[in-house]
Amino acid sequence: DAKTTQPNSMESNEEEPVHLPCNHSTISGTDYIHWYRQLPSQGPEYVIHGLTSNVNNRMASLAIAEDRKSSTLILHRATLRDAAVYYCILPKNYGGSQGNLIFGKGTKLSVKP
Amino acid sequence: GAGVSQSPSNKVTEKGKDVELRCDPISGHTALYWYRQSLGQGLEFLIYFQGNSAPDKSGLPSDRFSAERTGGSVSTLTIQRTQQEDSAVYLCASSLDYAPGEQFFGPGTRLTVL
Repeated sequence: DAKTTQPNSMESNEEEPVHLPCNHSTISGTDYIHWYRQLPSQGPEYVIHGLTSNVNNRMASLAIAEDRKSSTLILHRATLRDAAVYYCILPKNYGGSQGNLIFGKGTKLSVKP
Repeated sequence: GAGVSQSPSNKVTEKGKDVELRCDPISGHTALYWYRQSLGQGLEFLIYFQGNSAPDKSGLPSDRFSAERTGGSVSTLTIQRTQQEDSAVYLCASSLDYAPGEQFFGPGTRLTVL
């Protein structure tokens, strides 16, 4: 299974954009890139996912490199509520489909007022 | 609508006892997943169900752990002869199907084995 690498921690100022990087150099052509986050004392929360093209939703944007070996989660205006651990995940392949989330250590994002 | 619910929210048990943890997924979701998070550790995948079938049990940490799902809905994770290292938050998630996309997580069950 492909592995992801993320910085252990990042800091941001409130209302500024945040770019969270993820390296996945061993990604295969069919691996989807997922991002989840976990706020303190809560279960994980889905943020976004994509395959090749950049993706946008109400929470964030996902920029995927052309060679797909890296991606960046973009929070356009960080709020204090965005302080969380952010996980970049390539779900495990099983039976030709993908569903099992294999969580790494993630990036702990701190947001300063 | 209702999200994923889990019960109990907290469970304290003595070493050696059996425990059952319950998960009610979102109605209509065919895929259901169990994860656990130990103190200071990351999230660990345990098992998933497609309908009532669990094709991949390789994530279960030992044969003391088992899970079942009935009626394509409720799932129970059973831990027999609990050990202190089983103490963790056990999280359940469900998704519309077993495919890339959003998994919805429940609030978890905090298990403490004394």
